[in-house]
Amino acid sequence: GIQVEQSPPDLILQEGANSTLRCNFSDSVNNLQWFHQNPWGQLINLFYIPSGTKQNGRLSATTVATERYSLLYISSSQTTDSGVYFCALNRRAAGNKLTFGGGTRVLVKP
Amino acid sequence: KAGVTQTPRYLIKTRGQQVTLSCSPISGHRSVSWYQQTPGQGLQFLFEYFSETQRNKGNFPGRFSGRQFSNSRSEMNVSTLELGDSALYLCASSLAQAGQSGYTFGSGTRLTVV
Repeated sequence: GIQVEQSPPDLILQEGANSTLRCNFSDSVNNLQWFHQNPWGQLINLFYIPSGTKQNGRLSATTVATERYSLLYISSSQTTDSGVYFCALNRRAAGNKLTFGGGTRVLVKP
Repeated sequence: KAGVTQTPRYLIKTRGQQVTLSCSPISGHRSVSWYQQTPGQGLQFLFEYFSETQRNKGNFPGRFSGRQFSNSRSEMNVSTLELGDSALYLCASSLAQAGQSGYTFGSGTRLTVV
């Protein structure tokens, strides 16, 4: 199956700092999403981004499908950005089955 | 519009018992899929239902089963519970075609087996 690797596994930031999270994948995909898992366990959809660049407030994401990677940028981080960020994707041949990366655990300190 | 609703939020069961979890998708979404999250294995795909039919299945034992009703609501059942089944179970809904608009997840059911 498709392999999904996220880096770094852990990230500690001072409030106000910027950061970049990376997601590498091993095959072509037709869906890629970034999620933020809050302390209560819910996966919050940040971006649906199989290709291109999108921005939403302080967050932005870029997927370069031909090179099989995606980046999530967090600017001016806030303590509420703490949590685990997951990259998840699927291939058309796999149907509606998302494969998740291992996640990046982010801690933003005040 | 209402999001994905999972019930119950928390559950404690004893080894050997069975459990049923429920998921109501976003109105208009016909695909419902289930995932298990554990500290050791991360997020793993259980199965997906569309129009009351299981369309895809992950690598889990037969003790894990599910179904979908005509209103797209889905249930998953775990029989003969084991300690290792303790996990967060997440449900996701999506439009029929994978990749059209992505997946929306519910808040999850946290199952503890004692």
